[in-house]
Amino acid sequence: GQNIDQPTEMTATEGAIVQINCTYQTSGFNGLFWYQQHAGEAPTFLSYNVLDGLEEKGRFSSFLSRSKGYSYLLLKELQMKDSASYLCAVVNSNYQLIWGAGTKLIIKP
Amino acid sequence: DAMVIQNPRYQVTQFGKPVTLSCSQTLNHNVMYWYQQKSSQAPKLLFHYYDKDFNNEADTPDNFQSRRPNTSFCFLDIRSPGLGDAAMYLCATSSGGAQRVQETQYFGPGTRLLVL
Repeated sequence: GQNIDQPTEMTATEGAIVQINCTYQTSGFNGLFWYQQHAGEAPTFLSYNVLDGLEEKGRFSSFLSRSKGYSYLLLKELQMKDSASYLCAVVNSNYQLIWGAGTKLIIKP
Repeated sequence: DAMVIQNPRYQVTQFGKPVTLSCSQTLNHNVMYWYQQKSSQAPKLLFHYYDKDFNNEADTPDNFQSRRPNTSFCFLDIRSPGLGDAAMYLCATSSGGAQRVQETQYFGPGTRLLVL
């Protein structure tokens, strides 16, 4: 089978740094997406990784290790508005998008 | 602004009463998707259109149907909603280029369906 594993929930403090991990087992690999989803709203695109390494985009960075089937999303200088679910999704060899259930991130003042 | 629009945002229907959800896009994208998402779960792909070509996921119940009359519009028809069909329904689009590549999907705001 194919599956994406992410922690269900994480808590962090405003101004701090948090790392959200994602491990995957899929039939082939053609890239990994991170989406942000606020409660009751649609997912919005954050990042896409297809090569190993770290991609930085402002306060958000995403890392990929294909050999380990592992990615993380790093959020720096956390703000209250970063409270949301973060969804990891992998493109398999058939170009199907396999979604994780998401990690609910709670930011405390 | 180019966008994906879903109407209505909230839909209440009765058990067994057919309901239609709509999606429109101004992005001129070839591919349109319908997802079902229940609370704290991953979005579940129901089907997608690549232009006019309809692609049904193997585990999508027959109760769910879709229509795409033109590039801009796509509809989700639920023939006989059951209590288990209460969920958020998300429409998404991607550009659908000539080559088969991974593409970013752009989502509408979703329609939350309540079945009484």
